[in-house]
Amino acid sequence: GAVVSQHPSRVICKSGTSVKIECRSLDFQATTMFWYRQFPKKSLMLMATSNEGSKATYEQGVEKDKFLINHASLTLSTLTVTSAHPEDSSFYICSADPGTGTYEQYFGPGTRLTVT
Amino acid sequence: GQQLNQSPQSMFIQEGEDVSMNCTSSSIFNTWLWYKQEPGEGPVLLIALYKAGELTSNGRLTAQFGITRKDSFLNISASIPSDVGIYFCAGPASNFGNEKLTFGTGTRLTIIP
Repeated sequence: GAVVSQHPSRVICKSGTSVKIECRSLDFQATTMFWYRQFPKKSLMLMATSNEGSKATYEQGVEKDKFLINHASLTLSTLTVTSAHPEDSSFYICSADPGTGTYEQYFGPGTRLTVT
Repeated sequence: GQQLNQSPQSMFIQEGEDVSMNCTSSSIFNTWLWYKQEPGEGPVLLIALYKAGELTSNGRLTAQFGITRKDSFLNISASIPSDVGIYFCAGPASNFGNEKLTFGTGTRLTIIP
């Protein structure tokens, strides 16, 4: 149980275009999902907390207009990187909290974004 | 803010050896989570700890919730090649119902054939 999927696993896009990444909890409902960014050989950096049916809460320094988050249902959250630039190239990982009050988060396999 | 420091930063061990790593915090945590991340993948939850002094096992892995609530330890016995990866500790960013997690700096485990 507690399986989270992400799509796509890899994406290459041109500078200036937008890219959408989907995160789905496959066998549980998640009122809260999280989006992280990870640089090579570094720890996970939380970008935003996504709550179903409400606006996402962004961490300090993360541009809301650049990283659009939508949590339309209890099993789906999307991250759209708008007007992507090479510096947005990174490994983006989502996680989902099943809401059991245990703080356990289950992670997707990640999306490798390369902006050329 | 809260910071989680992991030690050692990296380990190079031979197959069959036991592994010990720790995670320390500048503040008290009520929950400790240990994750493993393999290259190009998302982290996978290994063990969750909820009580000071608690010792929990998952196969060859054993984790302990430090009695001071400011640290946690992870041990791996008789390491095998598939243990390679980065191990992260994590805990709630606040203890007041906020689900956000703070992640440690990670311990990279490499097994020498």
